[in-house]
Amino acid sequence: GENVEQHPSTLSVQEGDSAVIKCTYSDSASNYFPWYKQELGKRPQLIIDIRSNVGEKKDQRIAVTLNKTAKHFSLHITETQPEDSAVYFCAASPYNNNDMRFGAGTRLTVKP
Amino acid sequence: NAGVTQTPKFQVLKTGQSMTLQCAQDMNHEYMSWYRQDPGMGLRLIHYSVGAGITDQGEVPNGYNVSRSTTEDFPLRLLSAAPSQTSVYFCASSYTPSGSSYNEQFFGPGTRLTVL
Repeated sequence: GENVEQHPSTLSVQEGDSAVIKCTYSDSASNYFPWYKQELGKRPQLIIDIRSNVGEKKDQRIAVTLNKTAKHFSLHITETQPEDSAVYFCAASPYNNNDMRFGAGTRLTVKP
Repeated sequence: NAGVTQTPKFQVLKTGQSMTLQCAQDMNHEYMSWYRQDPGMGLRLIHYSVGAGITDQGEVPNGYNVSRSTTEDFPLRLLSAAPSQTSVYFCASSYTPSGSSYNEQFFGPGTRLTVL
């Protein structure tokens, strides 16, 4: 089955700096790659996703890049703010995401 | 819409007890899933369903049963609880946006289960 690895496990940045979280996956059949943000005690919430037919997607301060050849994808957050502090999870799944596999998560701390 | 709801929010069981975690969604989503979340391990898929009457195993199905008799409900049953099942359980439902071939998932608020 699919195996998703996520790095780093913790990340601390100063407010206004950029943050980058990287994930690799093993199954070439995976073609949907969402990113979730989870605040303490809350449910995961989708913040951005990318399909295999595009290499990059941007939504305001958040961007995701995908390299299908190398089987890795990354989350980029620019101009970080304290409210960006949370745990971020990447995931990968094949068509219809019925078997979605998650990375172990990255705890991002943005220091004011 | 209430979205995805889960009950109970918290539960403490003794080893060997059985219980059912409830999950319901009012968005008419075809797909529903159960995940468990353990510290440092992300979310792991337990079981999923692509529609009423259809279920399948995920990554960690042992010790859990599911059924999907209606589109709205997807209960998760623990037949004989074990301490290794102490975790936070999330239910999710998903749909395919118009013009897309991919599903977008929505998570419930979670159930924190402790097995003593």
